[in-house]
Amino acid sequence: DAKTTQPPSMDCAEGRAANLPCNHSTISGNEYVYWYRQIHSQGPQYIIHGLKNNETNEMASLIITEDRKSSTLILPHATLRDTAVYYCIVKPTNAGKSTFGDGTTLTVKP
Amino acid sequence: DAGITQSPRHKVTETGTPVTLRCHQTENHRYMYWYRQDPGHGLRLIHYSYGVKDTDKGEVSDGYSVSRSKTEDFLLTLESATSSQTSVYFCASGGGMGGSADTQYFGPGTRLTVL
Repeated sequence: DAKTTQPPSMDCAEGRAANLPCNHSTISGNEYVYWYRQIHSQGPQYIIHGLKNNETNEMASLIITEDRKSSTLILPHATLRDTAVYYCIVKPTNAGKSTFGDGTTLTVKP
Repeated sequence: DAGITQSPRHKVTETGTPVTLRCHQTENHRYMYWYRQDPGHGLRLIHYSYGVKDTDKGEVSDGYSVSRSKTEDFLLTLESATSSQTSVYFCASGGGMGGSADTQYFGPGTRLTVL
């Protein structure tokens, strides 16, 4: 699986958009980009995934660059409850193994 | 969220004793996973299963074994627990059906302390 690089921490003001970057420069053509988050001591929660097109759901938007070497998770209106560790991973379809890195700790401040 | 439960949620045991953790999912997912999470290490994959009786090792499989005799249950066994296996253990399951992407749904975790 391709490795990912994320900043260790970020802050965001409540109500503003949170933009979380992820670098995956060695991504292969069959690998999807997934985002999960983990709120303190809970199990990780799936947010969104994509292959090459931008994706949006009720939680977030995922912007993938044209060369697919990086992506950005956007939380459009961050709330205090969005404070969590956010993980970006890449994996092929139907592959069992996933490698979670250290993620980005997002702190939303009032 | 997928119906995925773990039992027990908390366990304290002594070094050298066997321990079995259970993961149960009600979504008929093909894949199931066991991870451990320690401070400073994030989530690390122990073992995973891609079907009944089909399992494979993850990155930190030494000292652990797994079994999957039914689609809905995935057991993690520590044959002889050691203090280094004190951790929070998360189970996950996911579809993996046909050509679809494999999203993982996580359980609430089991906090294991080995004294």
